[in-house]
Amino acid sequence: EDKVVQSPLSLVVHEGDTVTLNCSYEVTNFRSLLWYKQEKKAPTFLFMLTSSGIEKKSGRLSSILDKKELFSILNITATQTGDSAVYLCAVDTYSGNTPLVFGKGTRLSVIA
Amino acid sequence: GAGVSQSPRYKVAKRGQDVALRCDPISGHVSLFWYQQALGQGPEFLTYFQNEAQLDKSGLPSDRFFAERPEGSVSTLKIQRTQQEDSAVYLCASSLAQGTGDYGYTFGSGTRLTVV
Repeated sequence: EDKVVQSPLSLVVHEGDTVTLNCSYEVTNFRSLLWYKQEKKAPTFLFMLTSSGIEKKSGRLSSILDKKELFSILNITATQTGDSAVYLCAVDTYSGNTPLVFGKGTRLSVIA
Repeated sequence: GAGVSQSPRYKVAKRGQDVALRCDPISGHVSLFWYQQALGQGPEFLTYFQNEAQLDKSGLPSDRFFAERPEGSVSTLKIQRTQQEDSAVYLCASSLAQGTGDYGYTFGSGTRLTVV
């Protein structure tokens, strides 16, 4: 059974801190790993990673994938209160029409 | 439309009542997915449509759950004889491609169902 595990489940930091969120996975026929940010209800897309070692970056957020060790990290530098959200990791596979498999998410709270 | 639209935003149902949740995907999107997200959990897959064909319904938790997309656009998720454990946010997502595509899915804001 495909599995995605995120850690930590929750995290509280002060504004300006740097955080690292972790995602490990066990799936067959891996295609890509995706990160989403969920503030209210609709998860919004952040990154899609398909190749090992290539960092994707958007502003203060960056992410990298390690396909040998089967994990990804999401880094947020100089955190702001607006970064408070649940960050979801999901994995896509080549197995037919199977859907994205999500982890439970990491709830990040940034306090002023 | 510009995004994935779901209605109603909130629904309170008495135990045993039937409910219908609507999803209006982005125009032209081929793939449509329903997910169930319980409090403090990640989204759990329910069912997947490619156009009007329901290709995977392995995630539907019981035969009380039924989904349709008769004309390949709007989809309805119906839950019969609701139970308290059905309380969750029901997320709909769509994708232009068959499957995930290059940018993942676009999610709607969800319907929060509370069964009392």
